[in-house]
Amino acid sequence: KNQVEQSPQSLIILEGKNCTLQCNYTVSPFSNLRWYKQDTGRGPVSLTIMTFSENTKSNGRYTATLDADTKQSSLHITASQLSDSASYICVVTDRGSTLGRLYFGRGTQLTVWP
Amino acid sequence: DTAVSQTPKYLVTQMGNDKSIKCEQNLGHDTMYWYKQDSKKFLKIMFSYNNKELIINETVPNRFSPKSPDKAHLNLHINSLELGDSAVYFCASSPVDRVRTEAFFGQGTRLTVV
Repeated sequence: KNQVEQSPQSLIILEGKNCTLQCNYTVSPFSNLRWYKQDTGRGPVSLTIMTFSENTKSNGRYTATLDADTKQSSLHITASQLSDSASYICVVTDRGSTLGRLYFGRGTQLTVWP
Repeated sequence: DTAVSQTPKYLVTQMGNDKSIKCEQNLGHDTMYWYKQDSKKFLKIMFSYNNKELIINETVPNRFSPKSPDKAHLNLHINSLELGDSAVYFCASSPVDRVRTEAFFGQGTRLTVV
């Protein structure tokens, strides 16, 4: 069964600190993995994407890693800011269908305190 | 310009009523989706259309009927609303790209059934 599991479910950190969010998946055949950020009351917005051959991708203070062998990904946030408070969702796409189906994790709720 | 727009943003209605949510995208994408986000923030796909044709239809009560008059629009009609239908509904669109599938989300419609 194709699944995406994220941990932790929620996380509280102080402003300026770093943190790492985890994503494990069983989606097969694998096409790509995205991390989305969802602010409260808004739709998710893509942060990074990685395909099978890519094992790291940065977007400003966000760095995502992918280990396609162990089917794990992480999102590392450096020097957190209050605006980083949001839900971070891991989304994996399969390539078994013509369109590529999206599989969503349940998200990690990050709260950054001043 | 808003890429994926949904209306209304908030919808409060009584049980048993029929309501519609509209979605339009100006990105020229071929594929559009409806997702439901429950109280635990989990995004679950309901429907997917490609060029006005239904591609994915998850186990959704037949009270939910999507309608795609053209590839830029995907509306969601809900009959005989129930309390359990209360959730945030997101419309999204994506280009047909097997390698770097990215879904662009609307702002969501918060439906409250009382």
